[in-house]
Amino acid sequence: DAKTTQPPSMDCAEGRAANLPCNHSTISGNEYVYWYRQIHSQGPQYIIHGLKNNETNEMASLIITEDRKSSTLILPHATLRDTAVYYCIVKGSGAGSYQLTFGKGTKLSVIP
Amino acid sequence: DAGVIQSPRHEVTEMGQEVTLRCKPISGHNSLFWYRQTMMRGLELLIYFNNNVPIDDSGMPEDRFSAKMPNASFSTLKIQPSEPRDSAVYFCASSSRDRPTDTQYFGPGTRLTVL
Repeated sequence: DAKTTQPPSMDCAEGRAANLPCNHSTISGNEYVYWYRQIHSQGPQYIIHGLKNNETNEMASLIITEDRKSSTLILPHATLRDTAVYYCIVKGSGAGSYQLTFGKGTKLSVIP
Repeated sequence: DAGVIQSPRHEVTEMGQEVTLRCKPISGHNSLFWYRQTMMRGLELLIYFNNNVPIDDSGMPEDRFSAKMPNASFSTLKIQPSEPRDSAVYFCASSSRDRPTDTQYFGPGTRLTVL
């Protein structure tokens, strides 16, 4: 699975949009981009995933560049409860691609 | 719907004791994963079951660790004998491998402290 690069930390003002970038320049055609987050002392929480097209759900939006070498997770109106470590993970969809490889992620601090 | 259920949430034991962690996956999911999280190593996969069969146990640290999945709704991770370096948070996750993208859903974890 392709490697991802994320900034170690970011701050965001409460109520503003949080834009979390991720680089995955070695991603291959059948690999998906997944985002998880981990709030302190909790298990990782699935947020969203995508292949080529931009995706949106009740939690966030995922913007994937046309060349698929990078993506951005957008939390439209960040709240204090969104303070967490956010992980960008690239994973294939075949039978042999079952492992989620967590890097260090981005620690997002939402500031009042 | 109930998510992945893990028990106990916290476990404190002494070195040399046997420890058993339990997991109930989401109903209908056919894949189950055990992960371990430490400050030094982050989140790492220990073992993966598909349809109750262990598929990949290459992440299990050593023979002191064993995992079973006797049926689709229950799995255990056992450490015998436990050592202080086993102190970590252990997560169980489940997914449905029948879908093109098999999103894994994690439980709340068991925080293990070995004294």
